Amino acid sequence: DQQVKQNSPSLSVQEGRISILNCDYTNSMFDYFLWYKKYPAEGPTFLISISSIKDKNEDGRFTVFLNKSAKHLSLHIVPSQPGDSAVYFCAASVNFGNEKLTFGTGTRLTIIP
Amino acid sequence: EPEVTQTPSHQVTQMGQEVILRCVPISNHLYFYWYRQILGQKVEFLVSFYNNEISEKSEIFDDRFSVERPDGSNFTLKIRSTKLEDSAMYFCASSGAGLASFGSYNEQFFGPGTRLTVL
Repeated sequence: DQQVKQNSPSLSVQEGRISILNCDYTNSMFDYFLWYKKYPAEGPTFLISISSIKDKNEDGRFTVFLNKSAKHLSLHIVPSQPGDSAVYFCAASVNFGNEKLTFGTGTRLTIIP
Repeated sequence: EPEVTQTPSHQVTQMGQEVILRCVPISNHLYFYWYRQILGQKVEFLVSFYNNEISEKSEIFDDRFSVERPDGSNFTLKIRSTKLEDSAMYFCASSGAGLASFGSYNEQFFGPGTRLTVL
């Protein structure tokens, strides 16, 4: 039951360039989407979120884009920094976030100095 | 900055034993969750808890699992008769300083996790 999919298990990006991580979902009931960053042996750290009424949300170097018709979202990191190297999870929820999160399988981002 | 804390960081137990994993959610949050991640797999939802009762549970959360908020600050996950396949990282999360509604959203904040190893 892969309601949230991250098709790229890994991504390598040069420091200073843009990192683009992608996520697709199948459940049209999802109305709230989040990106988490995770280091090994640590809990997921919340990065940025977007609701289904918006198509873009920006916070510093991080921007999330939502294309509801395509059931697709993406996370842009500009400029990429070595500390951004981690596994990034896309997650989705209904009811504005106070329900279970359904996670994707993650994308391991490596920033090359 | 407020954070979710979990103890212990590591727990090793023999198959068939009972374990209790402890969490202290962010103090003004109202919604509490347990998730787990088996090595190399995605994070999976176990259970959500609101207003002193379970809101939703997954099929993983069978009758060996239980949750409790015994004293208004701690949130515990108990696993009875542990099995080898219970070995995983268990994450507690909390959200919701108030009722979420249109235009107001409640991010879930995660603790650092407890690594459970069942031998």
